[in-house]
Amino acid sequence: AQSVTQLGSHVSVSEGALVLLRCNYSSSVPPYLFWYVQYPNQGLQLLLKYTSAATLVKGINGFEAEFKKSETSFHLTKPSAHMSDAAEYFCAVKASSASKIIFGSGTRLSIRP
Amino acid sequence: GAGVSQSPSNKVTEKGKDVELRCDPISGHTALYWYRQSLGQGLEFLIYFQGNSAPDKSGLPSDRFSAERTGGSVSTLTIQRTQQEDSAVYLCASTLDRGPTDTQYFGPGTRLTVL
Repeated sequence: AQSVTQLGSHVSVSEGALVLLRCNYSSSVPPYLFWYVQYPNQGLQLLLKYTSAATLVKGINGFEAEFKKSETSFHLTKPSAHMSDAAEYFCAVKASSASKIIFGSGTRLSIRP
Repeated sequence: GAGVSQSPSNKVTEKGKDVELRCDPISGHTALYWYRQSLGQGLEFLIYFQGNSAPDKSGLPSDRFSAERTGGSVSTLTIQRTQQEDSAVYLCASTLDRGPTDTQYFGPGTRLTVL
């Protein structure tokens, strides 16, 4: 069975600082991994996804994530935070043979001026 | 055009009442998911419909919860004899489901409050 753990329910960074949101997964088969973002009062939207084509995945709004099999991680990063990045971020995993996506508990990102 | 729509956007009900939540997926999307998002929690999977296959109901928390999808399109999530712990945002998502990496498109959710 697959699962995903997001370390840190709340992360706060200064504007212009590096953003690092952590995600570790557990899967018995090579997984498909996703990051979704939920801006205040909006629905979830896909930020990026890992499909095994490349370990470094680039998404929208300058975010990227790197798949590290040895560490079972898929951490989300952005070199320089912007105020508009304030949102809830969800990591998700889907095993190739399973039907459903499993989401993590989410990390709320706050940006300090 | 559109995206996934859900109704109502907000629902307040009394404990013990039944409620129905509706989801209209994107036209042509064969797969439909229901999730529950409680305050401070992640997205809890409830049920998954794919075409004419039997739905995956493994996430439904109790037999008070049921869902159906008529004509492969609109879906209704029904909660019978609501309890206060059912209070949450209920999210619907649809996808073409051509493969495991297909993007899920989420609706805005229905915020359910059980008094």
